Amino acid sequence: GQSLEQPSEVTAVEGAIVQINCTYQTSGFYGLSWYQQHDGGAPTFLSYNALDGLEETGRFSSFLSRSDSYGYLLLQELQMKDSASYFCAGNSGSARQLTFGSGTQLTVLP
Amino acid sequence: NAGVTQTPKFQVLKTGQSMTLQCAQDMNHNSMYWYRQDPGMGLRLIYYSASEGTTDKGEVPNGYNVSRLNKREFSLRLESAAPSQTSVYFCASIGGAGETQYFGPGTRLLVL
Repeated sequence: GQSLEQPSEVTAVEGAIVQINCTYQTSGFYGLSWYQQHDGGAPTFLSYNALDGLEETGRFSSFLSRSDSYGYLLLQELQMKDSASYFCAGNSGSARQLTFGSGTQLTVLP
Repeated sequence: NAGVTQTPKFQVLKTGQSMTLQCAQDMNHNSMYWYRQDPGMGLRLIYYSASEGTTDKGEVPNGYNVSRLNKREFSLRLESAAPSQTSVYFCASIGGAGETQYFGPGTRLLVL
């Protein structure tokens, strides 16, 4: 099966850089995704890594190392609106199912 | 283009009552999913449908049934609701060659 571990909370100040780590144990896993969820809202897709290395999308970057069963989401130039929960999720199966970690609550302080 | 829609937005049930949560997508996606999210936790997959006419169990299927009515619609049924099913339920879909799942706004269910 799959399990993904990530820190429960992270706090940073506006304009800073923050890294949210995700370690996983999985079988049949072919990629790692990241989703953002604001309080009470629907999760929204941020990034996906199928291969080792860094993927960059604007202020957000995501990294994957398959040999270390590890990934991270990097958020740069933090803004107040980045305060949200961030989930890593393992991609598996022919139907591209997701298994989610428990989420990291990011608080951005002024 | 509404994306993924879910009804109802909020529901209160008594233990033992039944109900169906509705989900529809207008993006012509093949695969659809039902998740539940409990407070402070990640989403857990209940059931999924890789394509019209097929459904499969996810991580937490007990107490639920699903129907993939057509390509657009995927419903989740609770036959006899229990307090442990109090949760927020999200429907999602995916299409094309990408890995992006698109989520609906959720249904907040309280079982008393």
